[in-house]
Amino acid sequence: AQSVTQPDIHITVSEGASLELRCNYSYGATPYLFWYVQSPGQGLQLLLKYFSGDTLVQGIKGFEAEFKRSQSSFNLRKPSVHWSDAAEYFCAVGGSGNTGKLIFGQGTTLQVKP
Amino acid sequence: SAVISQKPSRDICQRGTSLTIQCQVDSQVTMMFWYRQQPGQSLTLIATANQGSEATYESGFVIDKFPISRPNLTFSTLTVSNMSPEDSSIYLCSVDSIGEQYFGPGTRLTVT
Repeated sequence: AQSVTQPDIHITVSEGASLELRCNYSYGATPYLFWYVQSPGQGLQLLLKYFSGDTLVQGIKGFEAEFKRSQSSFNLRKPSVHWSDAAEYFCAVGGSGNTGKLIFGQGTTLQVKP
Repeated sequence: SAVISQKPSRDICQRGTSLTIQCQVDSQVTMMFWYRQQPGQSLTLIATANQGSEATYESGFVIDKFPISRPNLTFSTLTVSNMSPEDSSIYLCSVDSIGEQYFGPGTRLTVT
């Protein structure tokens, strides 16, 4: 079955600390992987995506993610978290030619301590 | 990129009534998608809407409950019919543009 798992429902980090949000997927074909952020009352914003090529992808707002096929993972990282990063983060998977139909993980709520 | 607007942004409705949500895109797109985000939950795809054909519904969603229209390449509507409190959710429209998925701001629906 196709699925996305975000093991951490809620994470709290101190401002300035590093961040890693985990994402594991199960997908029968070559996966297209995405990370989205949803701030309170806001829509979804794409942080970054992986289709092919270099397994380390850079996104907006200083985020990066690494695709590891052997581990079926696509973890999101940021070296230094800012208070404005507090939000809900969603990992999603789709297929080539079918990127409109995304399967989302349950989301990880990030809280940033001053 | 694609800019998507939705109307209404939020609404409070009584059970048994219906609400139609509008989605407008600033460019022509082949497919539009409707997602539901129940309180505290992730997003679930309801259906895919192609212009000129019937919408394709995902498992667990039916046309009688969520009729969709797609009259042209920039517009779609989703109707939530015969609403119950379980339909209280955020409904999001999205489009695929050059392999990237763009989402509208969502319609927050509360059913009382």
